[in-house]
Amino acid sequence: AQTVTQSQPEMSVQEAETVTLSCTYDTSESDYYLFWYKQPPSRQMILVIRQEAYKQQNATENRFSVNFQKAAKSFSLKISDSQLGDAAMYFCAYRGGLGGGATNKLIFGTGTLLAVQP
Amino acid sequence: DGGITQSPKYLFRKEGQNVTLSCEQNLNHDAMYWYRQDPGQGLRLIYYSQIVNDFQKGDIAEGYSVSREKKESFPLTVTSAQKNPTAFYLCASSMGGGGRETQYFGPGTRLLVL
Repeated sequence: AQTVTQSQPEMSVQEAETVTLSCTYDTSESDYYLFWYKQPPSRQMILVIRQEAYKQQNATENRFSVNFQKAAKSFSLKISDSQLGDAAMYFCAYRGGLGGGATNKLIFGTGTLLAVQP
Repeated sequence: DGGITQSPKYLFRKEGQNVTLSCEQNLNHDAMYWYRQDPGQGLRLIYYSQIVNDFQKGDIAEGYSVSREKKESFPLTVTSAQKNPTAFYLCASSMGGGGRETQYFGPGTRLLVL
């Protein structure tokens, strides 16, 4: 079964600095997708960035980028120029690419709580 | 504007009572999902539906039921058989049910037991 591990329960960063959140996963599939979701205090899950496993190029979205290491099964999120609004719980998630429905459900890690210090 | 709405924001359940959480989307998405979030944990899949009038159990379906009579709506009923219903419930939808489809989430409903 696929698993997602986030080994950093909490992280802290100074405003305008850069922080990297770690995520590792375990799978025997070759086709899959990886996501980072942000959950602010409002608790709504917001998609931050997504990576297709077949793409070698790391995904970027403005100040957010990933370091995708397929062989190492690692998928870290880098937040540059951190802002106060980035403070939230961040979840790494995995989804298999084949079939449909629960066979490729989203599998979440336990989250990393990011604090941004002014 | 398009999105996913969930109601109510807070819901209180008495012992032995069934309660229904609403989820509506106007994104024209085919697939819809219900997740449960407990403190300190990620989300776990309760039920999902890839098409109208069809739905499948997820990992923790016991004590829950769903219906999918309309494409836009996927209500979740928490029955009296669910012995520990206190949690945050999130509804999501995606264009299709395949792995490449990104899931988008509603704002959630917090369910508390009186």
